[in-house]
Amino acid sequence: GAVVSQHPSRVICKSGTSVKIECRSLDFQATTMFWYRQFPKQSLMLMATSNEGSKATYEQGVEKDKFLINHASLTLSTLTVTSAHPEDSSFYICSARDGGTVKAFFGQGTRLTVV
Amino acid sequence: GQNIDQPTEMTATEGAIVQINCTYQTSGFNGLFWYQQHAGEAPTFLSYNVLDGLEEKGRFSSFLSRSKGYSYLLLKELQMKDSASYLCAAMDSNYQLIWGAGTKLIIKP
Repeated sequence: GAVVSQHPSRVICKSGTSVKIECRSLDFQATTMFWYRQFPKQSLMLMATSNEGSKATYEQGVEKDKFLINHASLTLSTLTVTSAHPEDSSFYICSARDGGTVKAFFGQGTRLTVV
Repeated sequence: GQNIDQPTEMTATEGAIVQINCTYQTSGFNGLFWYQQHAGEAPTFLSYNVLDGLEEKGRFSSFLSRSKGYSYLLLKELQMKDSASYLCAAMDSNYQLIWGAGTKLIIKP
């Protein structure tokens, strides 16, 4: 199957700082990328959907100025958590899909801890 | 509204068979996905059904009935490594995935 690489896998940052998470599709062109957040023992919560070259579409309740998403190329999307707070600590997962298929493939996830 | 229902937790014995059910209600339908997620890891793709019937892939099979809004994932010859959460997701008319809360499968020796 297609490979999606997400970095970093774990990050600890201080409250008030910003953290950038990268998501790369290694062997296909990701026309659409999805960013999810998952709290312990809960299912995936879609944060936003981004199409290459367009502004991301955020789900209700997700602050677009806090969670900056950039999808400037067909192989790379980034999520920046700005002015992170302890309540932002979570597991963030990206998934990518090319335009010719309905299947989406997941990155490895990023465990963010804000202290 | 859109909704996915699946059991919260199931327990089965190593070597046995287990069936995880999923019912869905979506605005339009473009297929039903099953993903496996081990604790602390991202989901991995298991199966995709868009037509009625059973799709078999090794020890795992997935079934879909579009008229009933129903799917199941069947796991045979259970192994300890199959202990994980199994996520059901339906794709709506906008090609967005609607996720279930996941079924935690516990395998006992």
